[in-house]
Parts: sequence; C-alpha cells; structure tokens
Amino acid sequence: GAGVSQSPSNKVTEKGKDVELRCDPISGHTALYWYRQSLGQGLEFLIYFQGNSAPDKSGLPSDRFSAERTGGSVSTLTIQRTQQEDSAVYLCASSADSHKINYGYTFGSGTRLTVV
Amino acid sequence: AQTVTQSQPEMSVQEAETVTLSCTYDTSESDYYLFWYKQPPSRQMILVIRQEAYKQQNATENRFSVNFQKAAKSFSLKISDSQLGDAAMYFCAYMGLLQGAQKLVFGQGTRLTINP
Repeated sequence: GAGVSQSPSNKVTEKGKDVELRCDPISGHTALYWYRQSLGQGLEFLIYFQGNSAPDKSGLPSDRFSAERTGGSVSTLTIQRTQQEDSAVYLCASSADSHKINYGYTFGSGTRLTVV
Repeated sequence: AQTVTQSQPEMSVQEAETVTLSCTYDTSESDYYLFWYKQPPSRQMILVIRQEAYKQQNATENRFSVNFQKAAKSFSLKISDSQLGDAAMYFCAYMGLLQGAQKLVFGQGTRLTINP
C-alpha cells in the first residue's frame, strides 16, 4: 500500500478481555516495529521484526503482550487480559531494510486502545 | 542505555516568527543518527529532519534546521517563519548503530502552539 495502515483506529475494550491490533506495512518493507505511546508521553519501543530473523521482543512489558508477523507482511499485536494501564496509542512503523533505517521509519496513524 | 530529554513540555510562537525546540541525549556511541518527528492530531509521526552524527554540517530542510552540537550532545530544532500548520507535538529521537541498533529512542515531546 501507499502507507502503513493500522486497524482499528480506535478500540474500547473491557478489562480482562483480549484485543488484537493489526498493522499492514508498506509493500516491500522488510522491517516492522511496534511502539506504545501512553497519554502525554513519548514513544516506547515494544517489538521489532526484520525479514525472517527472530524478532526483538525486548520492549514487550509483560507476557500478556505478543506479536506475530505472517508472511513477512501483516503484523498483529495481541494483548491478553487487558488492564487499564494498557490504555495507550499503539503505533506501527515500517522501513525498507536494515540498511535504510537511518532514513527513519514510516509510521501509521496508530490504534487508540481504551480499557474500561 | 541511551536516553533523550526534551526539557520544554510546551512552547508557543507567533505566526511568521522563529522558534527553537531543545533536545539533549546521552550515549556512549560515537556514530548514530538523530531525528525530529512531528505528530499532528492525526497521530501519524512525520519525519521532519535527520542528522548523521559523523557529519559536522547541520541538516536543513526548507524552514527547518538543526543545531547539532556533538560534544554537548545537543540537537535543537529551529523552525523559521512559523506557520499555523506547524502546530503539533515534536519528538526528538536517537538511533544508535551498535547497542539497540534499529530502534528509535524518543524524548517526551514538546507541544508547539502557533499563535495567529
């Protein structure tokens, strides 16, 4: 696609429910990133996928968070048993390859998750 | 670990005037990249300008320029001839080439208001 697409744009869920957030990167981009932006805060790194390599999961805050990337394209971030502190904007970004990441990523518009 | 600090939570400027946003960072690496991103209400992070640490010349993109002081670990953004469309959150970000390579580390952001 022309840009990074994220869905849904907004999600309200009840505490304890599971949610899935989707990211469709720019076609051909091999690197994909998930970041979390809590209210009034900067962006916090969650996870990074590069091609067929094992993902860098070092930023995932707990084992309730997981992500996968199927076929080197679309990625899904899953949060199990959601808590109110999970409320945030979840941003996805992609870049062409590891040699071009210094040009900066292309971000999507994010999913605003609200846990009530 | 690398850290990025933006000491100005909010800034305001009159339309057509110049404003400077501050950013400092901490790293032990000698080669890295620095970025300024803009985040309008649409939530999408937009790359404004980038700087390679090995280049002494300050980057410039139209009305946007940086003052990169490597020894002081300072990376400020100057916006000249401010326009109403410049109103947004601005984030400074660091990307190392060794530790945590390919991850952007963000500051807390500065909210910029343009007064007509």
